[in-house]
Amino acid sequence: DAEITQSPRHKITETGRQVTLACHQTWNHNNMFWYRQDLGHGLRLIHYSYGVQDTNKGEVSDGYSVSRSNTEDLPLTLESAASSQTSVYFCASSGDRSTQYFGPGTRLLVL
Amino acid sequence: AQSVSQHNHHVILSEAASLELGCNYSYGGTVNLFWYVQYPGQHLQLLLKYFSGDPLVKGIKGFEAEFIKSKFSFNLRKPSVQWSDTAEYFCAVSWTNAGKSTFGDGTTLTVKP
Repeated sequence: DAEITQSPRHKITETGRQVTLACHQTWNHNNMFWYRQDLGHGLRLIHYSYGVQDTNKGEVSDGYSVSRSNTEDLPLTLESAASSQTSVYFCASSGDRSTQYFGPGTRLLVL
Repeated sequence: AQSVSQHNHHVILSEAASLELGCNYSYGGTVNLFWYVQYPGQHLQLLLKYFSGDPLVKGIKGFEAEFIKSKFSFNLRKPSVQWSDTAEYFCAVSWTNAGKSTFGDGTTLTVKP
């Protein structure tokens, strides 16, 4: 069965370190998304991609970057981790008509 | 700007009570509408969706939603909730056919046994 996986599932890091969260999907979807989920804010879009070499900023993109070198992967990099980036991060992908399939999430703690 | 509003942040019900969760979006045009559910400790999964046709759509686990175009609304309903429906529910709207969705802030539903 097709799926979307994220790694690591849990991460503790220190302020100022660079962190990369992996997202891998086997749906063969062109569209991939990164969200963060915080209490009281629901899901907020960080970055998204409509295909290889395409990346776009979402509503909360400051301090984050993505790159898309193949269809399956969209890694999310925190350039210099800040305590405000402590959150749960979800990756999602979609094909036609925008139905999104979500990964299990990565819980990130920045100390 | 495109936005999605969910009116209830936290709903507490007893088992067998009826449920209605409100969802409104900011403006019209062609929309794709979704409700996602996130059970405790799990990832989001699709509950139901509306693309076109019959405005009353049925999803998994007895949920349904009604699209009212004139009110920019897509409310979620269930006639009789169960303890296992305890979860967070997200409404999402996409104004493009293959692109990003805007999510509401979510509604936490607690069902008391």
